[in-house]
Amino acid sequence: DQQVKQNSPSLSVQEGRISILNCDYTNSMFDYFLWYKKYPAEGPTFLISISSIKDKNEDGRFTVFLNKSAKHLSLHIVPSQPGDSAVYFCAASLKTSYDKVIFGPGTSLSVIP
Amino acid sequence: KAGVTQTPRYLIKTRGQQVTLSCSPISGHRSVSWYQQTPGQGLQFLFEYFSETQRNKGNFPGRFSGRQFSNSRSEMNVSTLELGDSALYLCASSQGGQGEKLFFGSGTQLSVL
Repeated sequence: DQQVKQNSPSLSVQEGRISILNCDYTNSMFDYFLWYKKYPAEGPTFLISISSIKDKNEDGRFTVFLNKSAKHLSLHIVPSQPGDSAVYFCAASLKTSYDKVIFGPGTSLSVIP
Repeated sequence: KAGVTQTPRYLIKTRGQQVTLSCSPISGHRSVSWYQQTPGQGLQFLFEYFSETQRNKGNFPGRFSGRQFSNSRSEMNVSTLELGDSALYLCASSQGGQGEKLFFGSGTQLSVL
């Protein structure tokens, strides 16, 4: 039973355009959401996070939107750059846990020059 | 500050053997989490340790175990290896509070033949 879902295994976007990566979750107890980026042969690196009391968080080219009623969040990258090509993981943490962070299966983003 | 260090980087074992993986967290970090990454499954949570105590555990069989030492270094052990245990094993460290971002190592790529 996958509690964090990323239904698009891959996404291709033209350089300069917007990349939108989607994530759905099933557990309403999640109260903190994070996005990580992973390059081949490296560990994931933290990108951006959002608390469940907010619906938007922005950091430079990256914005995360949270829709609690739909149990959906999305990551927007504007403008997309070739260096953004990586696997993006959506993750969520539970109110009652500390560092038990649940990850989705990932979306592979390719930004085409 | 040095990052999270995992050793060894690559490991080849045969079915039935056991293996021990090592993780040195970022200095000052007291929480260490372990994840298994396989294609299509994303990062599956194994367990998390804080101050030598296991705080959280994922849905893995008892063949997977871990421990944390007083200097926060952690080891993960897998006994009676199966072919399906072939994966990238990632270790992550953090300060230990909820919602804190995880810092990942580059992982240990385990192949079971």
